[in-house]
Amino acid sequence: AQSVSQHNHHVILSEAASLELGCNYSYGGTVNLFWYVQYPGQHLQLLLKYFSGDPLVKGIKGFEAEFIKSKFSFNLRKPSVQWSDTAEYFCAVTNSGGGADGLTFGKGTHLIIQP
Amino acid sequence: KAGVTQTPRYLIKTRGQQVTLSCSPISGHRSVSWYQQTPGQGLQFLFEYFSETQRNKGNFPGRFSGRQFSNSRSEMNVSTLELGDSALYLCASSFDSGPDTQYFGPGTRLTVL
Repeated sequence: AQSVSQHNHHVILSEAASLELGCNYSYGGTVNLFWYVQYPGQHLQLLLKYFSGDPLVKGIKGFEAEFIKSKFSFNLRKPSVQWSDTAEYFCAVTNSGGGADGLTFGKGTHLIIQP
Repeated sequence: KAGVTQTPRYLIKTRGQQVTLSCSPISGHRSVSWYQQTPGQGLQFLFEYFSETQRNKGNFPGRFSGRQFSNSRSEMNVSTLELGDSALYLCASSFDSGPDTQYFGPGTRLTVL
Protein backbone atom coordinates (compact mmCIF):
# COMPACT_ATOMS: atom_id res chain seq x y z
CA ALA A 1 0.00 0.00 0.00
CA GLN A 2 1.14 3.51 -0.66
CA SER A 3 1.76 6.04 2.10
CA VAL A 4 2.56 9.74 2.33
CA SER A 5 4.70 11.42 4.96
CA GLN A 6 4.64 15.12 5.69
CA HIS A 7 7.54 15.96 7.94
CA ASN A 8 6.31 19.16 9.54
CA HIS A 9 2.98 19.09 11.33
CA HIS A 10 3.12 22.73 12.40
CA VAL A 11 5.06 25.53 10.77
CA ILE A 12 5.10 29.16 11.88
CA LEU A 13 6.63 31.79 9.61
CA SER A 14 6.66 35.55 9.31
CA GLU A 15 5.28 37.31 6.27
CA ALA A 16 7.74 37.46 3.34
CA ALA A 17 9.64 34.41 4.57
CA SER A 18 10.28 31.56 2.15
CA LEU A 19 8.36 28.32 2.57
CA GLU A 20 9.21 24.72 1.90
CA LEU A 21 6.93 21.90 3.07
CA GLY A 22 8.25 18.39 2.77
CA CYS A 23 6.35 15.45 1.31
CA ASN A 24 7.65 11.93 0.76
CA TYR A 25 5.68 9.00 -0.54
CA SER A 26 6.21 5.30 -0.69
CA TYR A 27 5.09 3.51 -3.81
CA GLY A 28 7.14 1.60 -6.31
CA GLY A 29 5.20 2.43 -9.43
CA THR A 30 4.29 5.52 -11.38
CA VAL A 31 2.39 8.08 -9.35
CA ASN A 32 0.33 11.20 -9.68
CA LEU A 33 1.00 13.78 -6.99
CA PHE A 34 -1.10 16.58 -5.55
CA TRP A 35 -0.99 19.38 -3.04
CA TYR A 36 -4.31 20.49 -1.57
CA VAL A 37 -4.94 23.42 0.75
CA GLN A 38 -7.69 23.91 3.31
CA TYR A 39 -8.13 27.52 4.40
CA PRO A 40 -9.90 28.12 7.73
CA GLY A 41 -13.59 27.41 7.33
CA GLN A 42 -13.25 26.43 3.69
CA HIS A 43 -13.12 23.16 1.80
CA LEU A 44 -10.11 21.43 0.27
CA GLN A 45 -8.82 23.16 -2.84
CA LEU A 46 -6.28 21.94 -5.36
CA LEU A 47 -3.03 23.91 -5.27
CA LEU A 48 -1.14 22.01 -7.92
CA LYS A 49 -0.63 18.56 -9.40
CA TYR A 50 1.97 16.47 -11.17
CA PHE A 51 1.03 13.77 -13.65
CA SER A 52 4.01 13.68 -16.02
CA GLY A 53 6.49 15.88 -17.87
CA ASP A 54 8.38 18.79 -16.29
CA PRO A 55 9.00 17.81 -12.66
CA LEU A 56 8.74 21.44 -11.57
CA VAL A 57 5.07 22.33 -11.49
CA LYS A 58 3.50 25.68 -10.77
CA GLY A 59 0.19 26.12 -9.07
CA ILE A 60 -2.10 28.85 -7.91
CA LYS A 61 -1.15 31.75 -5.63
CA GLY A 62 2.56 31.53 -6.40
CA PHE A 63 3.10 27.99 -5.14
CA GLU A 64 5.29 25.47 -6.90
CA ALA A 65 6.44 21.92 -6.24
CA GLU A 66 9.26 19.76 -7.49
CA PHE A 67 8.93 16.04 -8.10
CA ILE A 68 12.20 14.23 -7.43
CA LYS A 69 11.63 10.62 -8.39
CA SER A 70 14.89 9.34 -6.91
CA LYS A 71 13.96 10.76 -3.54
CA PHE A 72 10.26 9.90 -3.70
CA SER A 73 9.60 13.52 -2.83
CA PHE A 74 7.22 16.26 -3.89
CA ASN A 75 8.06 19.31 -1.79
CA LEU A 76 5.94 22.44 -1.88
CA ARG A 77 7.61 25.85 -2.08
CA LYS A 78 6.73 29.51 -2.11
CA PRO A 79 9.40 32.24 -2.20
CA SER A 80 7.49 34.79 -0.11
CA VAL A 81 4.49 33.88 2.04
CA GLN A 82 1.59 36.12 2.94
CA TRP A 83 -0.69 36.19 5.97
CA SER A 84 -3.47 34.78 3.75
CA ASP A 85 -1.43 31.60 3.24
CA THR A 86 -2.35 30.51 6.77
CA ALA A 87 -4.01 27.14 6.19
CA GLU A 88 -3.66 23.36 6.37
CA TYR A 89 -1.67 21.84 3.50
CA PHE A 90 -2.05 18.25 2.38
CA CYS A 91 0.14 16.23 0.07
CA ALA A 92 -1.60 13.34 -1.72
CA VAL A 93 -0.66 10.55 -4.09
CA THR A 94 -2.45 8.08 -6.30
CA ASN A 95 -0.97 5.53 -8.62
CA SER A 96 -1.12 6.33 -12.30
CA GLY A 97 -2.64 3.01 -13.19
CA GLY A 98 -5.87 3.76 -11.44
CA GLY A 99 -6.13 4.35 -7.74
CA ALA A 100 -7.31 1.24 -6.04
CA ASP A 101 -6.87 3.12 -2.80
CA GLY A 102 -8.14 6.45 -4.05
CA LEU A 103 -6.07 9.41 -2.99
CA THR A 104 -3.68 8.69 -0.15
CA PHE A 105 -3.13 11.80 1.94
CA GLY A 106 -0.41 12.86 4.32
CA LYS A 107 -1.42 13.96 7.81
CA GLY A 108 -1.19 17.60 6.80
CA THR A 109 0.93 20.61 7.77
CA HIS A 110 -0.68 23.44 9.69
CA LEU A 111 0.95 26.64 8.46
CA ILE A 112 0.60 29.86 10.43
CA ILE A 113 1.87 33.11 8.95
CA GLN A 114 2.45 35.90 11.45
CA PRO A 115 1.95 39.47 10.20
CA LYS B 1 -19.97 25.81 -12.90
CA ALA B 2 -21.31 24.95 -9.48
CA GLY B 3 -18.97 23.02 -7.24
CA VAL B 4 -19.51 19.81 -5.34
CA THR B 5 -22.39 20.12 -2.91
CA GLN B 6 -23.01 18.01 0.16
CA THR B 7 -26.07 17.75 2.37
CA PRO B 8 -26.61 18.06 5.19
CA ARG B 9 -23.66 20.15 6.36
CA TYR B 10 -24.05 19.16 10.01
CA LEU B 11 -25.60 16.13 11.62
CA ILE B 12 -25.91 14.87 15.17
CA LYS B 13 -26.80 11.24 15.80
CA THR B 14 -26.65 8.80 18.69
CA ARG B 15 -24.85 5.49 18.87
CA GLY B 16 -26.63 2.66 17.10
CA GLN B 17 -28.47 4.89 14.66
CA GLN B 18 -27.81 5.01 10.96
CA VAL B 19 -27.15 8.00 8.75
CA THR B 20 -27.27 8.85 5.05
CA LEU B 21 -25.17 11.60 3.52
CA SER B 22 -25.67 13.03 0.07
CA CYS B 23 -23.28 14.39 -2.56
CA SER B 24 -23.95 16.12 -5.87
CA PRO B 25 -20.87 16.21 -8.11
CA ILE B 26 -19.81 18.94 -10.48
CA SER B 27 -21.95 18.85 -13.61
CA GLY B 28 -20.43 16.42 -16.11
CA HIS B 29 -18.32 14.59 -13.54
CA ARG B 30 -19.01 10.88 -13.44
CA SER B 31 -16.82 9.74 -10.56
CA VAL B 32 -17.58 10.36 -6.90
CA SER B 33 -15.24 9.45 -4.06
CA TRP B 34 -15.84 9.64 -0.33
CA TYR B 35 -13.29 10.37 2.38
CA GLN B 36 -13.36 10.49 6.17
CA GLN B 37 -11.37 13.22 7.92
CA THR B 38 -10.57 12.95 11.63
CA PRO B 39 -7.92 14.70 13.76
CA GLY B 40 -6.26 11.40 14.60
CA GLN B 41 -6.31 9.52 11.30
CA GLY B 42 -6.38 12.43 8.86
CA LEU B 43 -8.01 11.96 5.49
CA GLN B 44 -8.84 8.38 4.62
CA PHE B 45 -10.37 7.00 1.43
CA LEU B 46 -13.73 5.26 1.87
CA PHE B 47 -14.83 4.32 -1.65
CA GLU B 48 -15.27 5.49 -5.21
CA TYR B 49 -18.27 5.19 -7.50
CA PHE B 50 -18.27 5.49 -11.26
CA SER B 51 -21.23 4.86 -13.53
CA GLU B 52 -23.28 3.59 -10.59
CA THR B 53 -20.65 0.95 -9.75
CA GLN B 54 -18.28 0.86 -6.81
CA ARG B 55 -14.83 0.88 -8.38
CA ASN B 56 -12.59 1.06 -5.35
CA LYS B 57 -12.93 0.63 -1.63
CA GLY B 58 -10.79 1.67 1.30
CA ASN B 59 -10.18 -0.18 4.51
CA PHE B 60 -13.42 0.48 6.35
CA PRO B 61 -15.93 -1.95 7.87
CA GLY B 62 -19.04 -3.03 6.04
CA ARG B 63 -21.14 -0.60 8.08
CA PHE B 64 -19.97 2.00 5.59
CA SER B 65 -21.68 1.70 2.23
CA GLY B 66 -22.64 3.87 -0.66
CA ARG B 67 -24.34 4.07 -3.97
CA GLN B 68 -24.46 6.23 -7.04
CA PHE B 69 -27.45 7.17 -9.12
CA SER B 70 -27.78 7.54 -12.88
CA ASN B 71 -27.33 11.33 -12.57
CA SER B 72 -23.99 10.71 -10.78
CA ARG B 73 -25.30 11.91 -7.44
CA SER B 74 -24.07 9.71 -4.63
CA GLU B 75 -25.09 8.77 -1.13
CA MET B 76 -23.13 7.12 1.61
CA ASN B 77 -24.69 5.29 4.51
CA VAL B 78 -23.26 4.41 7.88
CA SER B 79 -25.22 1.89 9.92
CA THR B 80 -24.99 1.15 13.63
CA LEU B 81 -23.11 4.34 14.38
CA GLU B 82 -20.20 4.30 16.82
CA LEU B 83 -18.61 7.22 18.68
CA GLY B 84 -15.53 6.82 16.52
CA ASP B 85 -17.54 7.57 13.40
CA SER B 86 -17.64 11.23 14.40
CA ALA B 87 -15.79 12.95 11.57
CA LEU B 88 -15.96 15.25 8.60
CA TYR B 89 -17.11 13.26 5.59
CA LEU B 90 -15.86 14.66 2.31
CA CYS B 91 -17.12 13.96 -1.14
CA ALA B 92 -14.96 14.56 -4.19
CA SER B 93 -15.87 14.40 -7.85
CA SER B 94 -13.81 13.96 -10.98
CA PHE B 95 -14.62 13.65 -14.64
CA ASP B 96 -13.26 10.16 -14.94
CA SER B 97 -12.34 7.27 -12.70
CA GLY B 98 -8.75 6.56 -11.80
CA PRO B 99 -5.95 9.12 -11.59
CA ASP B 100 -7.97 12.24 -12.37
CA THR B 101 -8.05 15.49 -10.41
CA GLN B 102 -10.62 15.37 -7.65
CA TYR B 103 -12.62 18.40 -6.56
CA PHE B 104 -13.86 18.40 -3.01
CA GLY B 105 -17.10 19.51 -1.44
CA PRO B 106 -17.42 21.32 1.90
CA GLY B 107 -18.13 18.13 3.80
CA THR B 108 -20.72 16.89 6.26
CA ARG B 109 -19.77 17.17 9.92
CA LEU B 110 -21.16 14.10 11.70
CA THR B 111 -21.22 14.00 15.48
CA VAL B 112 -22.14 10.76 17.19
CA LEU B 113 -23.24 11.04 20.83
